[in-house]
Amino acid sequence: GAGVSQTPSNKVTEKGKYVELRCDPISGHTALYWYRQSLGQGPEFLIYFQGTGAADDSGLPNDRFFAVRPEGSVSTLKIQRTERGDSAVYLCASSLTDRKTDTQYFGPGTRLTVL
Amino acid sequence: QKEVEQDPGPLSVPEGAIVSLNCTYSNSAFQYFMWYRQYSRKGPELLMYTYSSGNKEDGRFTAQVDKSSKYISLFIRDSQPSDSATYLCAMSVDNYGQNFVFGPGTRLSVLP
Repeated sequence: GAGVSQTPSNKVTEKGKYVELRCDPISGHTALYWYRQSLGQGPEFLIYFQGTGAADDSGLPNDRFFAVRPEGSVSTLKIQRTERGDSAVYLCASSLTDRKTDTQYFGPGTRLTVL
Repeated sequence: QKEVEQDPGPLSVPEGAIVSLNCTYSNSAFQYFMWYRQYSRKGPELLMYTYSSGNKEDGRFTAQVDKSSKYISLFIRDSQPSDSATYLCAMSVDNYGQNFVFGPGTRLSVLP
């Protein structure tokens, strides 16, 4: 298909609620990355998958954040008991492999607002 | 001190000007250096990638890495209004494993 797609594009939720953010990577890309970008900041790494497994989840801020990629394609980032500080744009990227020299193609992001 | 620093701007230049965008970093182990362009409400897109020190040119864009000074630059020649965006540097220690650390970005406006 075209590029990386993310749904929803915007999500407004209340403090304490659970949210799921979805990422559809480019077909055939084995590596998938999640980043969080706050206003005026660069993307901050959260987690990346090589295939179905989480190869590095060191960027997840705490155990309220979890991500899955059960079939090695679509990925879902899950946030439990949301807090106002979780408000940010959540970006997904995919690349052919997890070599850093393989271009990471970013989706447009999901803008999460926690009231 | 943040690991990667950039002047946030905004930087405003007239069309046709040469633009210089810079990043400084503290981790001397960084070896892979990238420049991304991000338009408003879009994801970043890769512009240039450089390994270790030296220069790399691609059209109107030139990337420079000076590892001894822990300083990287992106030059844009003959800047166009369509170059107006936020420019992010990113760097990594190795080609696998540890992931990119991004700078906060510099907002550039090229005025027609």
